[in-house]
Amino acid sequence: AQSVAQPEDQVNVAEGNPLTVKCTYSVSGNPYLFWYVQYPNRGLQFLLKYITGDNLVKGSYGFEAEFNKSQTSFHLKKPSALVSDSALYFCAVTPRGGFKTIFGAGTRLFVKA
Amino acid sequence: KAGVTQTPRYLIKTRGQQVTLSCSPISGHRSVSWYQQTPGQGLQFLFEYFSETQRNKGNFPGRFSGRQFSNSRSEMNVSTLELGDSALYLCASSTTSGRTGETQYFGPGTRLLVL
Repeated sequence: AQSVAQPEDQVNVAEGNPLTVKCTYSVSGNPYLFWYVQYPNRGLQFLLKYITGDNLVKGSYGFEAEFNKSQTSFHLKKPSALVSDSALYFCAVTPRGGFKTIFGAGTRLFVKA
Repeated sequence: KAGVTQTPRYLIKTRGQQVTLSCSPISGHRSVSWYQQTPGQGLQFLFEYFSETQRNKGNFPGRFSGRQFSNSRSEMNVSTLELGDSALYLCASSTTSGRTGETQYFGPGTRLLVL
C-alpha cells in the first residue's frame, strides 16, 4: 500500500538552531512531493514541492527540502529556526498519473525562544 | 486573487442529521479536492472533482458525497451524521486535475461538531 511516514510526532528546537522534519514515502514511480504547514485554526499552506531536477528544493519562509531517491525521503529543513515556525507540518505525495494525494500524519514543530 | 473560501466555518449538528459544506476555489482553478482532518486519522482524502466530474474517491462510506458546479464551486454532503464525523473538513483547489503535480491551495476549513 502507498504510504507517507513522518516518524516524529514532535520536533523541538531552539530558536536560531537548524531544524529538520523527516518524511519518507512508499509510493511507486517518481511521485510529486510536497510540504505544507498548518497554523492553529487555519488550513494548510503550501511551502514547497519537488517535481523533478535538483534534489534541493527551496520554498517559502526560508524552508528547503532535500529529495533522496534511494532512501525515498524528502526531509524539510531550515538553517535557522524562528519561534514563528512553530506549527504542524505535513509531507504529501501525489503519484504521477494519479489523482489522490497521500498525506503524512504530520509533525508538530516547537521552536523555543 | 482571493483564496479558497469555505462556508460555513463552524457547524454543530446532531446525530442523524445531514450537512452540506461549500467550497469556492481560487478563480481559474478547475480541480477541487476534499479532505477530512481528525486528530486520530490525520488528513484523509475524500474525493476530487474536475470539470464537474468526480475523478477519484477515498475510502469513505456512501454517506459522504459531493458535487461540482459549472463555475467550479463544490459542495460536500454528509447524510445521517455520526459522532465520528466530527472533524475539520478541508477543501483544496488547483488549476488542473493534480496529475501534473500542481500545487493544491487549501481553504480555512469547516469545523463540524456532531453531538
